[in-house]
Amino acid sequence: DAGVTQSPTHLIKTRGQQVTLRCSPKSGHDTVSWYQQALGQGPQFIFQYYEEEERQRGNFPDRFSGHQFPNYSSELNVNALLLGDSALYLCASSLWVSSSYNEQFFGPGTRLTVL
Amino acid sequence: KQEVTQIPAALSVPEGENLVLNCSFTDSAIYNLQWFRQDPGKGLTSLLLIQSSQREQTSGRLNASLDKSSGRSTLYIAASQPGDSATYLCAVYPDYGNNRLAFGKGNQVVVIP
Repeated sequence: DAGVTQSPTHLIKTRGQQVTLRCSPKSGHDTVSWYQQALGQGPQFIFQYYEEEERQRGNFPDRFSGHQFPNYSSELNVNALLLGDSALYLCASSLWVSSSYNEQFFGPGTRLTVL
Repeated sequence: KQEVTQIPAALSVPEGENLVLNCSFTDSAIYNLQWFRQDPGKGLTSLLLIQSSQREQTSGRLNASLDKSSGRSTLYIAASQPGDSATYLCAVYPDYGNNRLAFGKGNQVVVIP
């Protein structure tokens, strides 16, 4: 049973460029959430996708956008990159159906460096 | 807005000592609470998930307690080993069925052989 996978592992971009990060959820999961973790900080919630729609969004500008595909995989897009976007981007998957045990499972992350 | 604080931010202990890591949250109306481990530059590994109706969870040398009324959780690691060196993150689930997590900044632990 494959866990959450993310690609690429590392990425280097320059200011102003655009980047796309990819995530495949754990088998059987239908919901994908994205988090940004700056160095020395805890992860911050960016947004969550279910049924190909954005369901929740954190305090991030519109430069951050996403997409979910029919196979539940997801992309995170960041436009007009800033130096401050350098971070570890984490993807988490879960089941949308509400339950008391609605645990999230995290991928290994994509390290984005903006120069 | 939910604020999650972890104290101490960093600590070093000799091998064999017990570790006590603290997490506090400002809004006690949380649902579940989860502890994660993170190795440098890596993703998050789930350690323990304490569900709303529970007060503690145990797995091997790890024990986590949850006191919602006081807004606190504690992670105990017994007989620490050098392999326990990592950052430990506490995260809260805001309400039933909502898994938008709010994280603390972590406890960075070094176990000295």
